[in-house]
Amino acid sequence: GENVEQHPSTLSVQEGDSAVIKCTYSDSASNYFPWYKQELGKRPQLIIDIRSNVGEKKDQRIAVTLNKTAKHFSLHITETQPEDSAVYFCAASRWNQGGKLIFGQGTELSVKP
Amino acid sequence: DAGITQSPRHKVTETGTPVTLRCHQTENHRYMYWYRQDPGHGLRLIHYSYGVKDTDKGEVSDGYSVSRSKTEDFLLTLESATSSQTSVYFCAVGEGGPNYGYTFGSGTRLTVV
Repeated sequence: GENVEQHPSTLSVQEGDSAVIKCTYSDSASNYFPWYKQELGKRPQLIIDIRSNVGEKKDQRIAVTLNKTAKHFSLHITETQPEDSAVYFCAASRWNQGGKLIFGQGTELSVKP
Repeated sequence: DAGITQSPRHKVTETGTPVTLRCHQTENHRYMYWYRQDPGHGLRLIHYSYGVKDTDKGEVSDGYSVSRSKTEDFLLTLESATSSQTSVYFCAVGEGGPNYGYTFGSGTRLTVV
């Protein structure tokens, strides 16, 4: 089955810097890759996603890139702000397996003012 | 969002007792999922459902069973609770079907003593 590895497990940046979180997946048939943000004590919330027919997607200060050949995808956050502090999860799924998402272990991002 | 309600929000139970957690959604979405969240492990899929009475196992299904007799309700049962099942349990709904993002419920914090 699918396995998703996420790095780093913790990341500390200064406000205004960029942050990059990387994930690798094992199943070459996976074709959907969402990212979730979870603030302390809250539910995970979808912030951006990408499908395998696209190499990059942007939404304001966040972007996701996908390299299907290498089977890895990354989340990029520019001009970080203290409110970006949270745990971020990547995930992967394939279309013919009931939409079940396999998640990475999470990255705790801390943005210092 | 998908109008997801999880109950109870918190529960403390004794080892060996059965426990049922409920996930209720108001918008007739077909796909529903149960995850557990533990430090260092991210979100791990327990069971999922792709329709009434249609369920399947996830990554960590041992010791858990599910039922979906109505579209709106997805029940997770710990048949005989153990301390290793102390966790936060999240229900999720796949609003767009497979290969679309989830909306998560608020979670149930379960402690087995």
